[in-house]
Amino acid sequence: GESVGLHLPTLSVQEGDNSIINCAYSNSASDYFIWYKQESGKGPQFIIDIRSNMDKRQGQRVTVLLNKTVKHLSLQIAATQPGDSAVYFCAENRGAGSYQLTFGKGTKLSVIP
Amino acid sequence: ETGVTQTPRHLVMGMTNKKSLKCEQHLGHNAMYWYKQSAKKPLELMFVYSLEERVENNSVPSRFSPECPNSSHLFLHLHTLQPEDSALYLCASSQEYRDYGYTFGSGTRLTVV
Repeated sequence: GESVGLHLPTLSVQEGDNSIINCAYSNSASDYFIWYKQESGKGPQFIIDIRSNMDKRQGQRVTVLLNKTVKHLSLQIAATQPGDSAVYFCAENRGAGSYQLTFGKGTKLSVIP
Repeated sequence: ETGVTQTPRHLVMGMTNKKSLKCEQHLGHNAMYWYKQSAKKPLELMFVYSLEERVENNSVPSRFSPECPNSSHLFLHLHTLQPEDSALYLCASSQEYRDYGYTFGSGTRLTVV
């Protein structure tokens, strides 16, 4: 079965509000996680990553939180803008010598102007 | 433009046709990848090349045949496809194999009729 998944398939937020997109994983050996953004008609674009020895990492308007206890990953987008409308999905590397990424299905974020 | 160019952007082919997808990158990357993105399914890794050598062997039907003539070009040769092969085929590259800083192309939307 799929290890990486998402709690919600769609998310609608008001412009200017903060967005939180969640991801669950089941493999406790996973040691690296990435969030991607995929706009309509485009390929996925790297947003931010985090290693398992960290709990939080911040970028420009984005923060990734990792809770290893409950195997949960979240992406927070501050002051969501219309340009943030896209599908977001997480990916994990399962460690143990594996160099492949396992991707989640994605959450579609819609920003309401 | 992400630096990874895929052609064609759209392709409709019959089940008895033979076609090829092309990917080109001018980023100086040494690793290239083919991914399949089906509706409502996560991204699936199909093939990985590092320095023109295939380095991963995922379970992919033989009707998909990759070719990597040099580190800048990657092809996916298609023959005798099935309707369930209809999907978005994404090419990606990274500086080195085992480097997750992927740059994705915009994909080829394939429809098998």
